[in-house]
Amino acid sequence: AQSVTQLDSQVPVFEEAPVELRCNYSSSVSVYLFWYVQYPNQGLQLLLKYLSGSTLVKGINGFEAEFNKSQTSFHLRKPSVHISDTAEYFCAVSDLSNYQLIWGAGTKLIIKP
Amino acid sequence: NAGVMQNPRHLVRRRGQEARLRCSPMKGHSHVYWYRQLPEEGLKFMVYLQKENIIDESGMPKERFSAEFPKEGPSILRIQQVVRGDSAAYFCASSPVSTGGAGTEAFFGQGTRLTVV
Repeated sequence: AQSVTQLDSQVPVFEEAPVELRCNYSSSVSVYLFWYVQYPNQGLQLLLKYLSGSTLVKGINGFEAEFNKSQTSFHLRKPSVHISDTAEYFCAVSDLSNYQLIWGAGTKLIIKP
Repeated sequence: NAGVMQNPRHLVRRRGQEARLRCSPMKGHSHVYWYRQLPEEGLKFMVYLQKENIIDESGMPKERFSAEFPKEGPSILRIQQVVRGDSAAYFCASSPVSTGGAGTEAFFGQGTRLTVV
């Protein structure tokens, strides 16, 4: 069975500092990987996704993530965060034939002024 | 093109009452998915529907929960005789085709936060 682990429940970071949100998954088959963001009192919005090809994926709002198959990781990064990035970030995975998304528990990004 | 619309945004029910959660998918989307998010947990798949058909309800509790997606109108998630443990955020997502196979994006609504008192 697939599972997703987001190692940090909260990540505090100063404004304009870089950030990395960690995501590890377990699966015996090839997968698609996703990062979603949930702003306060909003729905979930897709940040980026990895389907195939280049392991470095660029998304919206300056975020990027790198797929590392050997480490089964898909960490999300941003070189310089802004106060508007305050949100909860979710990593999710699905296998190539299944519509179900398996989700991590989420990481709250807290931006300190 | 409006996004996925869920209503109500917040719903309070007393134990034993019924809760009805509605989801209008994006225009042109005929695939709907319901997920539940318990406090401090990730989302968990509940059910996948196409118009008038339940494709996969493997994530639905066996009792008290049901879902439908009629030919006309929104998808409805119905919880009968609610208990405190049903308190959660319920998210609906839609897609134009199944999200399996091609990594098709699912578009999510803002969720309905159900509180059972």
